[in-house]
Amino acid sequence: QVQLRESGPGLVKPSETLSLTCSVSGGSISTYYWSWIRQPPGKGLEWIGYVYYSGSTNYNPSLKSRVTMSVDTSKNQFSLKLTSVTAADTAVYYCAREGYGGNSLDYWGQGTLVTVSS
Amino acid sequence: QSALTQPPSVSGSPGQSVTISCTGTSSDVGSYNRVSWYQQPPGTAPKLMIYEVSNRPSGVPDRFSGSKSGNTASLTISGLQAEDEADYYCSLYTSSSTFVFGTGTKVTVL
Repeated sequence: QVQLRESGPGLVKPSETLSLTCSVSGGSISTYYWSWIRQPPGKGLEWIGYVYYSGSTNYNPSLKSRVTMSVDTSKNQFSLKLTSVTAADTAVYYCAREGYGGNSLDYWGQGTLVTVSS
Repeated sequence: QSALTQPPSVSGSPGQSVTISCTGTSSDVGSYNRVSWYQQPPGTAPKLMIYEVSNRPSGVPDRFSGSKSGNTASLTISGLQAEDEADYYCSLYTSSSTFVFGTGTKVTVL
């Protein structure tokens, strides 16, 4: 059974960079696309982007200028960096795997709350 | 790409059926069968319930079914149970290889 787990600081200061890592267990990170999704408190889901095991990426146009994703196949991990954060970036951040032909997100992490505050 | 439109809430009594709509445009939902549905009980991560409009992953009860007509996709829960109370989101995998989610629907079991 594939499992994903997000890790990283729960508190980030405004204007700084949010950095999260997703560790994948129970399966290889290879041959799949891996996404990040976020959910502000009490609000809906927003897709941030994906990274392929080869390192290629695709980002939400609304966040593209601030997002960088990378993958470390040796550690079975992938990462998210979001620069110049503001309070609007406060959210639960989820990592997920794109499955079933890449058209859906079949495995999700439990999510991690990141608060942007001084 | 704007968020897909869902009703804010639907409700039903145990045993009844409820249907959640997910409306896009002829350029997105109407053109592709890459619609999926996710269930999110309070305080938990989303769970995939339907992919490619009407396919159920292994382990999802057959009470959950999906369909599409024109620019609107739908999720129907038949034989509603208390455990089905959750937020539900539709999602579209776009022609730009991005995901866009619906606005979300809260299902209440009366």
